[in-house]
Amino acid sequence: DGGITQSPKYLFRKEGQNVTLSCEQNLNHDAMYWYRQDPGQGLRLIYYSQIVNDFQKGDIAEGYSVSREKKESFPLTVTSAQKNPTAFYLCASTRGNQPQHFGDGTRLSIL
Amino acid sequence: GESVGLHLPTLSVQEGDNSIINCAYSNSASDYFIWYKQESGKGPQFIIDIRSNMDKRQGQRVTVLLNKTVKHLSLQIAATQPGDSAVYFCAENSGGSNYKLTFGKGTLLTVNP
Repeated sequence: DGGITQSPKYLFRKEGQNVTLSCEQNLNHDAMYWYRQDPGQGLRLIYYSQIVNDFQKGDIAEGYSVSREKKESFPLTVTSAQKNPTAFYLCASTRGNQPQHFGDGTRLSIL
Repeated sequence: GESVGLHLPTLSVQEGDNSIINCAYSNSASDYFIWYKQESGKGPQFIIDIRSNMDKRQGQRVTVLLNKTVKHLSLQIAATQPGDSAVYFCAENSGGSNYKLTFGKGTLLTVNP
């Protein structure tokens, strides 16, 4: 089955530590996205990438970094500069003008 | 109902009733709208979409209505079932080639058996 796989499902970060969230898709989608969701809130865009080796900042990029070395993969690093990293992180992908397809998220907490 | 940018409203219905979830959008340039369903601990799941050249679109048990005059979108669920209990989000694409979506904060639908 084609889909988007996010790992791990739960992740804990210590103070001053960088952590990387994985997002892999086998849908042959060109565009990939990272969103942050806080309790009772909608999704806010962190970064997005329309093609390999290219990405753009979303609305809340500060404290995050991404790479897009392969079409299938779009990892997100939450750096120590992100002072409030506790949230549910969602990865999505799409192709053309189709609706975005989401993974099942990674919940990041602070130790 | 909800408005893109307001706090999470709730809707409680009886099993078998029809549900209507509302969404107001602010960008008159938006040309594509999507409804997603999100169950607890999972990612949003696509339900139905509609483009701005239409005012109604039907799927299986769901109908989306678009009123561009008042910038209003609604999702109707027929014969609501307990499995429909979830948070429902509307999202709009304001156009352009980068296909960025703006999400509302969602409506929590609870179906009582």
